[in-house]
Amino acid sequence: AQSVAQPEDQVNVAEGNPLTVKCTYSVSGNPYLFWYVQYPNRGLQFLLKYITGDNLVKGSYGFEAEFNKSQTSFHLKKPSALVSDSALYFCAVSLNTNAGKSTFGDGTTLTVKP
Amino acid sequence: NAGVMQNPRHLVRRRGQEARLRCSPMKGHSHVYWYRQLPEEGLKFMVYLQKENIIDESGMPKERFSAEFPKEGPSILRIQQVVRGDSAAYFCATSPGGPLEKLFFGSGTQLSVL
Repeated sequence: AQSVAQPEDQVNVAEGNPLTVKCTYSVSGNPYLFWYVQYPNRGLQFLLKYITGDNLVKGSYGFEAEFNKSQTSFHLKKPSALVSDSALYFCAVSLNTNAGKSTFGDGTTLTVKP
Repeated sequence: NAGVMQNPRHLVRRRGQEARLRCSPMKGHSHVYWYRQLPEEGLKFMVYLQKENIIDESGMPKERFSAEFPKEGPSILRIQQVVRGDSAAYFCATSPGGPLEKLFFGSGTQLSVL
């Protein structure tokens, strides 16, 4: 079985400050990890993924995420937050044995204040 | 290249009626995943289909729910005899296939059961 935990329902940061959205996972095998963003009344949009290789992954809109195998984490980060980054963020995991079925976390609402 | 198309965007049904939700994948995508998003919750996997085949339906309720992805035409998620608890946003995601591929999401169908 695979699972994803996003321990924070809400993250609030001031514009210009760094942001972190946390994600931990549990799988039996090598995970493939993803971050998606959802704006109101829209479907999810892909931000970045970790498959293999460098633990630091760079994605869309200046976001990056760091894969930490020992802590089973894949936290999403951005050095300088924008108000337009305010949205709902989902972490997801899939396995090479499950043909692409992804398990999603419950989401974290990011609010960036001016 | 049009994105993943879901229709209708909003669907209102009375208890006991049937709901049909449609998903047209992006061109070249033969893998379809249906997810349900309840208020204040994350995405819950329902079913994974490839053309004419159900690959994984472990997230589908045993009764009243069914899904298909025919050789021609869109994927259909069908809910018979809807109840109020079926009210949710239903998202379709598609991919070319495999765990390495990111998912492309439609804008979802918001089902409201009166």
